[in-house]
Amino acid sequence: ETAVFQTPNYHVTQVGNEVSFNCKQTLGHDTMYWYKQDSKKLLKIMFSYNNKQLIVNETVPRRFSPQSSDKAHLNLRIKSVEPEDSAVYLCASSTWDRDERLFFGHGTKLSVL
Amino acid sequence: QQQVRQSSQSLTVWEGETAILNCSYENSAFDYFPWYQQFPGEGPALLIAIRSVSDKKEDGRFTIFFNKREKNLSLHIKDSQPGDSATYFCAASMNYNQGKLIFGQGTKLSIKP
Repeated sequence: ETAVFQTPNYHVTQVGNEVSFNCKQTLGHDTMYWYKQDSKKLLKIMFSYNNKQLIVNETVPRRFSPQSSDKAHLNLRIKSVEPEDSAVYLCASSTWDRDERLFFGHGTKLSVL
Repeated sequence: QQQVRQSSQSLTVWEGETAILNCSYENSAFDYFPWYQQFPGEGPALLIAIRSVSDKKEDGRFTIFFNKREKNLSLHIKDSQPGDSATYFCAASMNYNQGKLIFGQGTKLSIKP
């Protein structure tokens, strides 16, 4: 049962454009994340938000920025996309405790032409 | 530098056999090791997890064997079924750095009927 919702499922755009991806969780979790999964399936954390505060930022390029309106939403904005940004972007949520089970959305596949 | 490493990029076993997926890690401070399962077009989902105080964790057909001294662990899938065909990710984190799971590169498991 999906409880982390991402939109859109796919997005095709050109180099230099701005894109924004949405994520909403209905689990009542207090922490949300964005992961990037490349063509080799490698998963790397980009951001995490706990109580509307950015707590992890894995030196991603400055053109990436997370945006949160409340603890149930965490959007990802990419200003001026590059070809290397082509990937699947996965949103996840968890509670901030020892058993940090991540619940992932289905992902947004970005293709940059 | 890959902190969590999975020894096989892909693995094929016959239906009914036991599939063994191996994982090793570098940081001895890691104390939580989940395995995530990912089907095409979906996000990863937690399958089973172990803490470093244990050397074995079993859940149905899935068992984790953990060797703290050698810094490695393995996921055993007994009586493999075609529905187990997926990509499996080993991950690790430290208690004092909650919210930062480090994922391995993934092992794509194929079960031949």
